[in-house]
Order: sequence, then C-alpha cells, then structure tokens
Amino acid sequence: NAGVTQTPKFQVLKTGQSMTLQCAQDMNHNSMYWYRQDPGMGLRLIYYSASEGTTDKGEVPNGYNVSRLNKREFSLRLESAAPSQTSVYFCASSWNRGENGELFFGEGSRLTVL
Amino acid sequence: KNQVEQSPQSLIILEGKNCTLQCNYTVSPFSNLRWYKQDTGRGPVSLTIMTFSENTKSNGRYTATLDADTKQSSLHITASQLSDSASYICVVSARNDYKLSFGAGTTVTVRA
Repeated sequence: NAGVTQTPKFQVLKTGQSMTLQCAQDMNHNSMYWYRQDPGMGLRLIYYSASEGTTDKGEVPNGYNVSRLNKREFSLRLESAAPSQTSVYFCASSWNRGENGELFFGEGSRLTVL
Repeated sequence: KNQVEQSPQSLIILEGKNCTLQCNYTVSPFSNLRWYKQDTGRGPVSLTIMTFSENTKSNGRYTATLDADTKQSSLHITASQLSDSASYICVVSARNDYKLSFGAGTTVTVRA
C-alpha cells in the first residue's frame, strides 16, 4: 500500500526560483492537505482541498499556490522561492474534511532555499 | 487562539523503562485529541484518537489519557524499546472545525 506519495524528497533552490511539490494518494480520500514543519513549531496548514475541484487557504498560504488536479493528486507550487520557505513539507489526506477525519501523511519533502 | 503545548521538549530514557509525555491545550469547543508518532525523516503516523467521552485508550505499549475538564492529555510508553525513539505529536481538533492544532512535539530518545 503506497498511501500518500510525495515527490521530490529533497530539493535545493535558489531565491526566486520556482518549483512544484507533487502529492498523490491511493486511498480514495476526498480531502487533501499541505503542511509545513519547522523546528520547534507544530505543523502549520498551508492549503487544503476539501474535495476534488475545491481549494482553500490555511494558516500560512502566502507565497504558495495549489492545484487539485484530480481526486488523487494535490500539488503545491512555490512561484518565487524565499529563504523563509526552507522547511519540510508534508502532504496529507483524509476521507473527509471533518473534525474526525483521520489524517494520513506522506514521507515529507525537504526544501532548502538559498 | 487555539494552542497545544507539549512537555517536555525532549527526553532520554533507557531501554525497558517507562516514560510519560504531557499535552495541554486551549482548543475549544473540544472535539478530539490525537497522538502521532513521527520517526526521524518520516511522516507522522497516528497512534490514538480520543473523543470527549474517552479517558484512556491504548495501542500496544502506548497508553493515552485525556482529562477534558483540565484540558490535559498524557501519553505513557511502557517498557520502552529502541524503536520508540521518535517525536510524539499531540493534535487537537475543535468541534465543527476542520482545522487541527498541532503541538511542537516531544522528542524521545531510547538508549540501550
């Protein structure tokens, strides 16, 4: 069972470059999420997609865009990377958006912006 | 603002010993509390999820407790093993709100 798959696992960018993090889930989940994890802080929600065709901002959306390509895939794009976006990014999915929806996480994508 | 505070920030224990991690939260109205285990370089994996009416829940050697009145939870690890070395994250959700509040985690190191 693949679960939630993220690519790439590691990426180094220069300030101003753009890139897209890919995420796919094979559990037929409706909701998908992008989080970032920084040292000493809890995971913070960047964007989420409650269902196919919808996306909404989370807690820290500035500097990011997302696309829910289909039910399986949810990508995160950095249009002009900044050093403050150096972080570990996690994609997650759940059956529904509700408060009881159990989250399944990917393995993470470690991004360094120089 | 909904907050989740975990303590200690880190701890070291000897293999075979027990330990207890703490989680205090201000999330309201409360819906459920989850504990996740995150191995180094991996994504978080769910250990337990507890609702308002549940005081204790076990998953193997992991036992979570919840006191919704004092807004406190603990995660007890019994007879620790080297594989328990990880970060343990407390996550709280509010009723009628999809957003989760994450604690910063407690890093547990188990030494032989």
